[in-house]
Amino acid sequence: GAVVSQHPSRVICKSGTSVKIECRSLDFQATTMFWYRQFPKQSLMLMATSNEGSKATYEQGVEKDKFLINHASLTLSTLTVTSAHPEDSSFYICSAPPSGGVTDTQYFGPGTRLTVL
Amino acid sequence: KQEVTQIPAALSVPEGENLVLNCSFTDSAIYNLQWFRQDPGKGLTSLLLIQSSQREQTSGRLNASLDKSSGRSTLYIAASQPGDSATYLCAVKGGGSNYKLTFGKGTLLTVNP
Repeated sequence: GAVVSQHPSRVICKSGTSVKIECRSLDFQATTMFWYRQFPKQSLMLMATSNEGSKATYEQGVEKDKFLINHASLTLSTLTVTSAHPEDSSFYICSAPPSGGVTDTQYFGPGTRLTVL
Repeated sequence: KQEVTQIPAALSVPEGENLVLNCSFTDSAIYNLQWFRQDPGKGLTSLLLIQSSQREQTSGRLNASLDKSSGRSTLYIAASQPGDSATYLCAVKGGGSNYKLTFGKGTLLTVNP
């Protein structure tokens, strides 16, 4: 099946620093990718939709200036958490529909555990 | 706003038992419903996807049903095994112009040998 990778798998940083998380589709092109956040024992919450070659679409309540998304190619989307704070500590997961169409099943990356001290 | 609820939150069963996980959603205008498995600290693995026009899907020991009008889905696991231990997530994709996945909080399943 389709494979989505994320890097890094785990990151610990100091408060106030910025952290970049990469999401790659390894064997297919993805014009659209999705970024989710999952707090312990909570649902995955969609943060934003990443669109190749255009601006990301953010969900209500998600600060676009804090969570910068760049979808520079058909296989790579990056999420940068700027000036991270302890409350940003969470599990971040990306997903992509393999055909690039939003109606298809989505394949998820393995996630990135962010801990902000 | 779509809301997805999964019951029970946690379930512990002995190996070999058949079990049912429940999922309900508030807005029946969905495009499809998907069941995922999530192992601790890992990403999601898609198990079954049911289109809004379908009633059920089967894969091996797994069977998922969908009753769109009542806003319910069940995931049936036959002859459970310790390797089935994981969190099972239900997610619905909105219809119309809203192709977003809304997830439940999941059911943590433990199958004891």
